[in-house]
Amino acid sequence: EAQLVESGGGLVQPGGSLRLSCAASGFAVTSNYMNWVRQPPGKGLEWVSVIWSSGSTYYADPVKGRFTISRDSSKNTLHLQMNSLRAEDTAVYYCARALVSDAFDTWGQGTMVTVSS
Amino acid sequence: DIQMTQSPSSLSASIGDRVTITCRASQSINNYLVWYQQRPGKAPVLLIYGASTLQSGVPSRFSGSGSGTDFTLTISSLQPEDFATYYCQQSYSGPVTFGQGTRLEI
Repeated sequence: EAQLVESGGGLVQPGGSLRLSCAASGFAVTSNYMNWVRQPPGKGLEWVSVIWSSGSTYYADPVKGRFTISRDSSKNTLHLQMNSLRAEDTAVYYCARALVSDAFDTWGQGTMVTVSS
Repeated sequence: DIQMTQSPSSLSASIGDRVTITCRASQSINNYLVWYQQRPGKAPVLLIYGASTLQSGVPSRFSGSGSGTDFTLTISSLQPEDFATYYCQQSYSGPVTFGQGTRLEI
């Protein structure tokens, strides 16, 4: 069974950095399109970033230049390096695996990131 | 980016009711439309992809239809566990985008 477990969330000051991790089991992160999706408190879902099986990466405009998605094949783990954090980045961050059709069939439990002074 | 608009934003219904949620895309997305269910404090769960293909394990009371710009999610007979928020998502082009959600309440 495919599973994802996120970690690394917490409270950080504006302008600070945080690195999220997403440990996968039951499948290889390098063989799938892996995504980060966030959800601000009480609001809807927002796609953040994807890394394709080829290694190509893409970002939503609000995080471009500040966030970096990567993967570690030896640990079967997905990462999201978040720099220059802003209050509007406050959200629950989910990692999610995408099917060929870009439907996200497996999600982690989410990790909360709070950007506040 | 393609904008996704759901209606209604919230909906009150009773056990056993048939309910329909609508999702409209700002341009044609063929059938690249996905539906999720999200219960409070939990991650979203994939219900339907390709506009009408039921994900494995999802009850058959859920169904999806539509193509182009207009899509619907129908729950044929509401069960207690169905009261949640539902999101549509397009994966046709550009960044993946979600609808704003429809909260289904008792």
